[in-house]
Amino acid sequence: NAGVTQTPKFQVLKTGQSMTLQCAQDMNHNSMYWYRQDPGMGLRLIYYSASEGTTDKGEVPNGYNVSRLNKREFSLRLESAAPSQTSVYFCASSALDRVLSPLHFGNGTRLTVT
Amino acid sequence: AQTVTQSQPEMSVQEAETVTLSCTYDTSESDYYLFWYKQPPSRQMILVIRQEAYKQQNATENRFSVNFQKAAKSFSLKISDSQLGDAAMYFCAYRHQGAQKLVFGQGTRLTINP
Repeated sequence: NAGVTQTPKFQVLKTGQSMTLQCAQDMNHNSMYWYRQDPGMGLRLIYYSASEGTTDKGEVPNGYNVSRLNKREFSLRLESAAPSQTSVYFCASSALDRVLSPLHFGNGTRLTVT
Repeated sequence: AQTVTQSQPEMSVQEAETVTLSCTYDTSESDYYLFWYKQPPSRQMILVIRQEAYKQQNATENRFSVNFQKAAKSFSLKISDSQLGDAAMYFCAYRHQGAQKLVFGQGTRLTINP
């Protein structure tokens, strides 16, 4: 009963380094999302994917790229990390073909950029 | 663009008492959904309760209930008989009919005093 699995749980990067956050869901959901959580700002949408093969920008896409590798997997890449990208990142999925479908979240990745 | 506002960054309540968390939102849509999510220290996001805008009846889930005032664009969460396990960040969220994106408020940190 895994749900949404994110890796890694913690990461420290130096400015300019790159990394990819991985996310996979086993609930056969069409829609997947990447959010970042910062104190006092709630969760802000970075990118989302309504279905396999499609991706769209959210509120704060700058500095990030995404790949919807298949229906299960949706990765987030930081090409050149900056201190402003220090945050907790959440992947989520949803079956939006069903009314009132909630988001199912992973456990988050705490990223620190020094 | 839709916005969600939680005006109480922090709230506290005595164990076994009742507390109400406020949420207001701004939208020009008539069909939408509202959610409350709980984030305990474990960081996991947990759905607490959800409401369809077309339903006048307020949603309830055990000790959790909402006061949905559509005209006022208000969606408050009432927690009755507060328990120590209710201590968490609470996020209000909005999604309009057919939209992919869930918009979150800034969050309210709830402390339960024994």
